[in-house]
Amino acid sequence: GESVGLHLPTLSVQEGDNSIINCAYSNSASDYFIWYKQESGKGPQFIIDIRSNMDKRQGQRVTVLLNKTVKHLSLQIAATQPGDSAVYFCAENIIRRRYIFGTGTRLKVLA
Amino acid sequence: ETGVTQSPTHLIKTRGQQVTLRCSSQSGHNTVSWYQQALGQGPQFIFQYYREEENGRGNFPPRFSGLQFPNYSSELNVNALELDDSALYLCASSLGQGRDNEQFFGPGTRLTVL
Repeated sequence: GESVGLHLPTLSVQEGDNSIINCAYSNSASDYFIWYKQESGKGPQFIIDIRSNMDKRQGQRVTVLLNKTVKHLSLQIAATQPGDSAVYFCAENIIRRRYIFGTGTRLKVLA
Repeated sequence: ETGVTQSPTHLIKTRGQQVTLRCSSQSGHNTVSWYQQALGQGPQFIFQYYREEENGRGNFPPRFSGLQFPNYSSELNVNALELDDSALYLCASSLGQGRDNEQFFGPGTRLTVL
């Protein structure tokens, strides 16, 4: 069946270091992916997206990498800050109106 | 510009009851999607409304239903509540139904079914 999952449920990173959050997807037909950040008590917030015709996309302090060969997605956060502490989800878009979210990875930034 | 708002914030119901959750979309947004997020899980797509019509549905039974009003606000109705319906219910609005239109999420309604 189709699924989007994450390898690490919790990631602890020292402030100032880079963070890498991983995600595996199983549906080879997926052609659009989004990373979301969810802080406690809030809804998910869009971070960055990538289409399947790309393998890398950069934003402000964030980079998403897509490896279609192994169906793997990663989110890199440079110079991680305390405000980056949250749960991060990847979401996979198969049908235009439907997103499938992964389980999530909790990022803890250590001072 | 007002963001997506949801009401109520928290709700406690008993098994078998019915519940209505409300969502006000961001100004100018004509598309609303509803998600169920169980504790420790990612959001699961319930359905989407575009210009007052259901526009796509996830794997949820018919006792989950919705409405979208002319002002694009929306309701999620759940009948015959079950214990497993306990979750955070999120709505997200967007300018259109296409995936190029970013979804903006509300803070959610926390439903507890006893």
